Amino acid sequence: AQKVTQAQTEISVVEKEDVTLDCVYETRDTTYYLFWYKQPPSGELVFLIRRNSFDEQNEISGRYSWNFQKSTSSFNFTITASQVVDSAVYFCALSEAGGRTGTASKLTFGTGTRLQVTL
Amino acid sequence: NAGVTQTPKFQVLKTGQSMTLQCAQDMNHEYMSWYRQDPGMGLRLIHYSVGAGITDQGEVPNGYNVSRSTTEDFPLRLLSAAPSQTSVYFCASKGIYEQYFGPGTRLTVT
Repeated sequence: AQKVTQAQTEISVVEKEDVTLDCVYETRDTTYYLFWYKQPPSGELVFLIRRNSFDEQNEISGRYSWNFQKSTSSFNFTITASQVVDSAVYFCALSEAGGRTGTASKLTFGTGTRLQVTL
Repeated sequence: NAGVTQTPKFQVLKTGQSMTLQCAQDMNHEYMSWYRQDPGMGLRLIHYSVGAGITDQGEVPNGYNVSRSTTEDFPLRLLSAAPSQTSVYFCASKGIYEQYFGPGTRLTVT
């Protein structure tokens, strides 16, 4: 069975600080996808990134960066120079890759980390 | 192109009542799914469909029914609502790269 653990329930930082959100996963699959979603106070789910299990390159997108380490089953998310608009709940998720379409599309979510950025 | 739409946005039901949460997408995606979000538990998969006429159970299917008569629509039915079904419900459809989520329906069962 797949499992995603986000041990940080809530993080508070002051604007301009860097913050890292942790994500640890468990799966028996050799190929899989990892995701991060953002849920702002308005409630919608915003897709941030998808990472293939066979691609361990770190990725940077503006102030966001992701560190994927297969050896430790972690897919951590760092926000550099945080802003008030980054305040949200962030979810890490996992799905199979390949195989039957239905199975490969099922997302297993972590419980989320609430990030509060204050002035 | 509206993406994934859900109606209603909010609903209050009494225990034992039935209702249908509507979900529609205009992206011609084959795969659609329903999740529920509860405090401290993340999102959990209720049911999913890989195409018209095909549905399957997810992690928490009890108390819910689905059908998929068209590619566009994937309604979720509560036949006899229970307080444990108080939650926020999200519908999603999957493109090539990512899953697109609807805005959610907040359901309260009293």
